[in-house]
Amino acid sequence: DTEVTQTPKHLVMGMTNKKSLKCEQHMGHRAMYWYKQKAKKPPELMFVYSYEKLSINESVPSRFSPECPNSSLLNLHLHALQPEDSALYLCASSQKWDNLMNTEAFFGQGTRLTVV
Amino acid sequence: AQTVTQSQPEMSVQEAETVTLSCTYDTSESNYYLFWYKQPPSRQMILVIRQEAYKQQNATENRFSVNFQKAAKSFSLKISDSQLGDTAMYFCAFMKPMPIISSGSARQLTFGSGTQLTVLP
Repeated sequence: DTEVTQTPKHLVMGMTNKKSLKCEQHMGHRAMYWYKQKAKKPPELMFVYSYEKLSINESVPSRFSPECPNSSLLNLHLHALQPEDSALYLCASSQKWDNLMNTEAFFGQGTRLTVV
Repeated sequence: AQTVTQSQPEMSVQEAETVTLSCTYDTSESNYYLFWYKQPPSRQMILVIRQEAYKQQNATENRFSVNFQKAAKSFSLKISDSQLGDTAMYFCAFMKPMPIISSGSARQLTFGSGTQLTVLP
């Protein structure tokens, strides 16, 4: 299994809504990432979890709240978003516990988020 | 801080021909990893090829190969026998090595701005 699964694939939400994005991997990876990607731009790192602990927060607004319930799951809770937050949100994972030198990052297909 | 530069926003190539995408980077590290990722319209980022900086031999993966020039900090991707399915956005990426991974640390990717490649029939 070399998949990172993200749900939902598409999400439309109002500015007063609360929603969550989900990411799951079963590759034994110990690092998981959230990226935000605007059209025709590279992904921008938002958060990194390492061994289920928040390792990096790239000064992301508090309306984005990450959560790592266990080593296979990563959530991104959304609340009071703005229209400019509309983007593709990508999840990735890397660094299998028994091969920490492996550098390849596996990405999910992303959630296309539209804030109205 | 590391920077990755892709100077070609868009490129096109005829099917079955060869195309080269360029990438330069800036770092003070002596050991690191370089990647080319492909993002087709399906949106998923797919690893195309990986190069470890300590290896002098250029990486190859079937029709994909790199020209890694460490002194020049250049890392170009050559696609041979281009196919329609190669149409995608291609990102060059840099990863700094880290000490033994432990709780609280993780490697990060620094991406270039991307090159949109279109393979023409």
